[in-house]
Amino acid sequence: EVQLVQSGAQVKKPGESLKISCEGSGYSFTIYWIGWVRQMPGKGLEWMGIIYPGDSDTRYSPSFEGQVTISADKSISTAYLQWSSLKASDTAMYYCVRPSPVTTAPDIWGLGTMVTVSS
Amino acid sequence: SSELTQDPAVSVALGQTVRITCQGDSLRSHYATWYQQKPGQAPVVVIYGKNKRPSGTPDRFSGSSSGNTASLTITGAQAEDEADYYCNSRDSSGNHLRVFGGGTKLTVL
Repeated sequence: EVQLVQSGAQVKKPGESLKISCEGSGYSFTIYWIGWVRQMPGKGLEWMGIIYPGDSDTRYSPSFEGQVTISADKSISTAYLQWSSLKASDTAMYYCVRPSPVTTAPDIWGLGTMVTVSS
Repeated sequence: SSELTQDPAVSVALGQTVRITCQGDSLRSHYATWYQQKPGQAPVVVIYGKNKRPSGTPDRFSGSSSGNTASLTITGAQAEDEADYYCNSRDSSGNHLRVFGGGTKLTVL
């Protein structure tokens, strides 16, 4: 079974750093792109960016360029989303997704990681 | 980047037909994928490509497209269809990026 298993919920203070993870299983991790989607409380879905674990080719949506870093470690089939200095506005659910190779739309979703940033 | 526009909320009487629309320039050349999201759950695909349903999606769900508008139609809406619906398409940059519509809250009366 193809799965994306995300790390657990996090509560952080403004200014702290954070790295959340997404482990892929049940498929060849290196040949499928992995994306990240943000959903702020009560709001819609936002496409953040995407990485190709095979060569770490990474693309960011303009709104997220410079705000987060997407990376991957293909040796352990894991993608990451990280912040160097969190803000309260980073409070959201973050989903990792695997786009379909046919449509490029996300068809496999992790369960999400809730990140809460509060002083 | 691109933008996809959806009506924020739509309501339908139980058993009736409802259409949820998504507008955007990228839809002139790319199909929309439609997601259903229920409270506390991750989104799931209900329609992709040219009106294709994943296994598990009831056949009362269908998709269509015309010009810059994609539509999701539910024929004979059921109580369990009450959810948020999002369209998604390729970003016009062609950079493996995607874009979501703002979402439509469907209420089944």
